[in-house]
Amino acid sequence: EDQVTQSPEALRLQEGESSSLNCSYTVSGLRGLFWYRQDPGKGPEFLFTLYSAGEEKEKERLKATLTKKESFLHITAPKPEDSATYLCAVLPGGYQKVTFGTGTKLQVIP
Amino acid sequence: NAGVMQNPRHLVRRRGQEARLRCSPMKGHSHVYWYRQLPEEGLKFMVYLQKENIIDESGMPKERFSAEFPKEGPSILRIQQVVRGDSAAYFCASSPPGTGDSPLHFGNGTRLTVT
Repeated sequence: EDQVTQSPEALRLQEGESSSLNCSYTVSGLRGLFWYRQDPGKGPEFLFTLYSAGEEKEKERLKATLTKKESFLHITAPKPEDSATYLCAVLPGGYQKVTFGTGTKLQVIP
Repeated sequence: NAGVMQNPRHLVRRRGQEARLRCSPMKGHSHVYWYRQLPEEGLKFMVYLQKENIIDESGMPKERFSAEFPKEGPSILRIQQVVRGDSAAYFCASSPPGTGDSPLHFGNGTRLTVT
């Protein structure tokens, strides 16, 4: 069965303090790995798709990377508005069901 | 360019009543997914539908739950005879037709409270 494990569960950073969120996965034939941001009371908002090991994507202060076993979401010089829960999800080969991790709750303190 | 629309945003039902949750996918999207989220838990897959077809319902309880995506109109998730354990946020997502590796786009959910 596909598994996605995110760490840490919660992370508190000072504004400007860079860090990384981890997503470890076990899946048969990864077709895609997705990162989402979820704010309280809202649905997940799509950030990135990564398709193969070595791939990197960037958007503002966020950078996502992918290896054969895990993905990292790097946050550079975060701001309070980056506070949210970040979700990782995997799409296995030959199948359409996307499996989500339980997320990392990020709090950025001014 | 409307996103995924879900209604109602909040729904309160007494035990034993029926709950109907509606989802209109993004324009041009023909794949619909329903997920359930409990507080401090991840999103749990329930069902995947295409127009007039249920493709995968492996995450949906066999009893009391049903889903449809008719040729015309929104997708409906129906929960009969609700119990307190059904209280959760229910999210709908959609994706376009094609290779199947497109990301899902989510609505803002329906929060169901069973009293």
